Amino acid sequence: SQQGEEDPQALSIQEGENATMNCSYKTSINNLQWYRQNSGRGLVHLILIRSNEREKHSGRLRVTLDTSKKSSSLLITASRAADTASYFCATDAWNNNDMRFGAGTRLTVKP
Amino acid sequence: NAGVTQTPKFQVLKTGQSMTLQCAQDMNHEYMSWYRQDPGMGLRLIHYSVGAGITDQGEVPNGYNVSRSTTEDFPLRLLSAAPSQTSVYFCASRSLQGGLRSPTEAFFGQGTRLTVV
Repeated sequence: SQQGEEDPQALSIQEGENATMNCSYKTSINNLQWYRQNSGRGLVHLILIRSNEREKHSGRLRVTLDTSKKSSSLLITASRAADTASYFCATDAWNNNDMRFGAGTRLTVKP
Repeated sequence: NAGVTQTPKFQVLKTGQSMTLQCAQDMNHEYMSWYRQDPGMGLRLIHYSVGAGITDQGEVPNGYNVSRSTTEDFPLRLLSAAPSQTSVYFCASRSLQGGLRSPTEAFFGQGTRLTVV
């Protein structure tokens, strides 16, 4: 079964607003990563957060990780129409290297 | 700077036919994997490899075979195609230079859209 579950499944906002996506997972993890997928294309890595980190920033992206709640959030600030894409969380467990993905959040940013 | 290259981009098969999806990477990554992506289900891991000569099963391995004879190539074989294997297939690679406990970001190919009729 899939490890991560994103919430919401779909999100529609206006340009300039912030977008928050959440990810919950089931088992103990080594790290958690967020990826972006434009329609019909491959996935592109956004950010990696290790299990001993609580927050990480990269440009307009902010990721938090709460291992006690087995959850993570991705915040995109000042969104742009070009941010329209699907966003996936992926987890690496401690006992293997098979990275598992959630079902994704479809983000639409209206100009 | 090719990264991960998948071929073909599109394929239509008849039920029962076999075929091989090709994946090659030029980044000298130890780890390679295959995923399938179905609507509303995200990516599911089919098989993965942590180095030449080593492969292992993921979540949905049935109906697929893999081999890893070189670091660069990781082909996925469909033994007898079924309509349930209609999907988009992605190959990914990542470095394990930091060790098995320190995996890094994954690089993905552009995908192969497979239809089995």
